[in-house]
Amino acid sequence: DTAVSQTPKYLVTQMGNDKSIKCEQNLGHDTMYWYKQDSKKFLKIMFSYNNKELIINETVPNRFSPKSPDKAHLNLHINSLELGDSAVYFCASSPGQGGDDTQYFGPGTRLTVL
Amino acid sequence: KQEVTQIPAALSVPEGENLVLNCSFTDSAIYNLQWFRQDPGKGLTSLLLIQSSQREQTSGRLNASLDKSSGRSTLYIAASQPGDSATYLCAVEWSNYQLIWGAGTKLIIKP
Repeated sequence: DTAVSQTPKYLVTQMGNDKSIKCEQNLGHDTMYWYKQDSKKFLKIMFSYNNKELIINETVPNRFSPKSPDKAHLNLHINSLELGDSAVYFCASSPGQGGDDTQYFGPGTRLTVL
Repeated sequence: KQEVTQIPAALSVPEGENLVLNCSFTDSAIYNLQWFRQDPGKGLTSLLLIQSSQREQTSGRLNASLDKSSGRSTLYIAASQPGDSATYLCAVEWSNYQLIWGAGTKLIIKP
């Protein structure tokens, strides 16, 4: 009955590889997000999708490409992985109705680039 | 099963009061515990991180304590201000490196 789920939980890979992280929400929400948590534990928003359309695209390298096949899924694809990409990536979703639009977070995917 | 519970779900207090938010967790073998703040329509802001070996962390008017044996953490906010109004989330990381989130406490500080 997990509300927001992410796969995989851990990802260890070599520099230069391409990898994807998947996110699914079963809350019927319209908006989904990807965040990166750096080594100092600060969360920074990367992307936001509303009804499969990109609405926020913060300054991230274009090696990062979000893909939303449907409203319940927002996947994050990363090309040519670099050491600095090592972090925990969180997916979140919200009803997308503005105002007090509470976000619900997944458990995170710990990415380690060697 | 590892679970995180936050009580109360909502809290409304007059400006200037000191207040305590509670977070409890079911398995004491934690890696760390974090407190976040979520403002309406915005993302999360990290407030404090307490490692399993620590008992408390302080940042400005915020103080977070950790008691692993009882499975509890408290977030103390001194001299509350209207700008403190937000939802406060507790998240626990166990040795499997996954965060389990509490449902949050919605705090309203009345001027």
